Amino acid sequence: DGGITQSPKYLFRKEGQNVTLSCEQNLNHDAMYWYRQDPGQGLRLIYYSQIVNDFQKGDIAEGYSVSREKKESFPLTVTSAQKNPTAFYLCASSMGLPSYEQYFGPGTRLTVT
Amino acid sequence: GENVEQHPSTLSVQEGDSAVIKCTYSDSASNYFPWYKQELGKGPQLIIDIRSNVGEKKDQRIAVTLNKTAKHFSLHITETQPEDSAVYFCAAIAGKSTFGDGTTLTVKP
Repeated sequence: DGGITQSPKYLFRKEGQNVTLSCEQNLNHDAMYWYRQDPGQGLRLIYYSQIVNDFQKGDIAEGYSVSREKKESFPLTVTSAQKNPTAFYLCASSMGLPSYEQYFGPGTRLTVT
Repeated sequence: GENVEQHPSTLSVQEGDSAVIKCTYSDSASNYFPWYKQELGKGPQLIIDIRSNVGEKKDQRIAVTLNKTAKHFSLHITETQPEDSAVYFCAAIAGKSTFGDGTTLTVKP
């Protein structure tokens, strides 16, 4: 089965702790993305990567970090510097530049208390 | 940067009626316009898309129209069914993706 997996589905952390969200794809896609979704709002781009070992900041990168050491994997770390980390996080991938269809994972709901 | 406005934010229709959701964008460089359907607690799924060299595209009960001059595009769903109930997002792509804030569609049986 080809697709994107995100784990875990629900994640709980205490304030001040860093947390890493997993995203894996077996679609052989070059590009991968991380979005944040808050209630009643659209998706906002955090980071994206067009190729291994390269990534770019999106619109709301502050307080987040990523790595792209393998084509299949694009983990997102939510650091303690992110002021409002509680949100629904979505990972996506596409064949190349964003003018190709993006395939989304099932998402991770992060709650920080 | 790109700005996408989506209307309405909520839409309620009777089963069998049509539903129309509209989006406007600001960046004339945008050349790809996908529409996504998101069910509760899940990731968005692409339902239809259109590129800037096309004015209309149809797939069974779903159609999308694009007016590049006016910088707006619309999603049309005909013969709506209860399973069409979900949140729908438009997006405009000009290098990066910019999404609208979503429309919650409710189809009443």
